[in-house]
Amino acid sequence: DIQMNQSPSSLSASLGDTITITCHASQNINVWLSWYQQKPGNIPKLLIYKASNLHTGVPSRFSGSGSGTGFTLTISSLQPEDIATYYCQQGQSYPRTFGGGTKLEIK
Amino acid sequence: QVQLQQSGAELMKPGASVKISCKATGYTFSSYWIEWVKQRPGHGLEWIGEILPGSGSTNYNEKFKGKATFTADTSSNTAYMQLSSLTSEDSAVYYCARSTMIMDYWGQGTTLTVSS
Repeated sequence: DIQMNQSPSSLSASLGDTITITCHASQNINVWLSWYQQKPGNIPKLLIYKASNLHTGVPSRFSGSGSGTGFTLTISSLQPEDIATYYCQQGQSYPRTFGGGTKLEIK
Repeated sequence: QVQLQQSGAELMKPGASVKISCKATGYTFSSYWIEWVKQRPGHGLEWIGEILPGSGSTNYNEKFKGKATFTADTSSNTAYMQLSSLTSEDSAVYYCARSTMIMDYWGQGTTLTVSS
C-alpha cells in the first residue's frame, strides 16, 4: 500500500497568514493527489484534485502543487472559515490511501 | 446538482449485519464509481472500496474483504454497502462518495454504533 505522510499533524496560525501543509507519498503517484477539507462536525469536501486543480467553488486562496512523491497545500490569507482538518489522498493505485490529517486552528 | 443521500444512523449488536444505502441524484449514476470510506475518531479516513454501478465492478481494500460487500441498483440509483459480523471496531461514520479517481461529492455520512 502507498503510505501518505502528512505534516504537520496540527497547526495554529493567525488570520491573514499563509500556511502550507505537506504530503509525502511512499511511492510515485504522479499527480494523482487530492486534498480534502473537513470542518468540525461536517463531511469531507474536495478542495484540489490532480495535485493543483481547484474544485468548483473553492476559493482561489487555496492552491496545490507537487508531483511524484511530494505535494503541498497552501492557504493564503487565512479566514475564520478555514478552521478544519485537511487530508491528502492518493488515487494512483489501490487501495486508495489518505494522509493522517492536519488540524488547523486559528490563534 | 449532485447529491448523495445516505441512510440513517444504525445501532447494531455484535455479530449482526447491517446494510447502508447511498441514493444518488443529479448525475448519471451508472457512469461514476461509488466509493465507501470509514472514519473513526483518531483513525482518520480509511478507504473501504468502490463499485461501478453500471457494470457492478468492484474493488475492495484487502483489509475489508469479507467484511464489506457492495451492490448497486441502477433502477433506483442507489448503492449499498453491507457490513457483516459486526464488532466494536466497526463503530464509525461511513461515507459514500462519487468518484472518477477523484471523490468529488460525498454523502452526509451514516453513523454505525455496534454495542450489546
